[in-house]
Amino acid sequence: DTGVSQNPRHKITKRGQNVTFRCDPISEHNRLYWYRQTLGQGPEFLTYFQNEAQLEKSRLLSDRFSAERPKGSFSTLEIQRTEQGDSAMYLCAIRANSYEQYFGPGTRLTVT
Amino acid sequence: DQQVKQNSPSLSVQEGRISILNCDYTNSMFDYFLWYKKYPAEGPTFLISISSIKDKNEDGRFTVFLNKSAKHLSLHIVPSQPGDSAVYFCAADSGAGSYQLTFGKGTKLSVIP
Repeated sequence: DTGVSQNPRHKITKRGQNVTFRCDPISEHNRLYWYRQTLGQGPEFLTYFQNEAQLEKSRLLSDRFSAERPKGSFSTLEIQRTEQGDSAMYLCAIRANSYEQYFGPGTRLTVT
Repeated sequence: DQQVKQNSPSLSVQEGRISILNCDYTNSMFDYFLWYKKYPAEGPTFLISISSIKDKNEDGRFTVFLNKSAKHLSLHIVPSQPGDSAVYFCAADSGAGSYQLTFGKGTKLSVIP
């Protein structure tokens, strides 16, 4: 099963607040990814985990962003001191045994 | 610089006709290509993929063609149905390291009944 759930689906926050998103793959997958999608753009890679190890981070991931995958299952993405430019859809994906990545429904963040 | 380009932001097609969505890439290291379909407020859904060692892959109404020398791929949908109306993203995998996907900006397909 390649299902992925994400919570919350929508988050509205005021600038300067911290937010945390969660990604839960339905079954175990070694590789887990976070992407960000803004209006009119395709998803952009943020970071990647193999099991619990965070192995790669994009330059898009400023030091206000932190991601964890403590037991190699679910993952969290935290944004500290949110800015209006952080408003986007945050997508989690898992990679099955082939090249395909399967995405969750995303968390829509709006920073006011 | 954009490594995966979808130059048509939108496309309208009559129901029953063929839809052709195009994608160009610049990075020669890409060796696997994928198409995703996305509805508003949902995550991308995997549609079909192709390895760089092939030039065609078919799955039902969907066929992807790869022209490696031209660094061009296309997705054909035949026959097009109103339920195919969505944004289609082309993505490429470098086949190494993190296997992260690089996406184009998408093409919005509208299938008119």
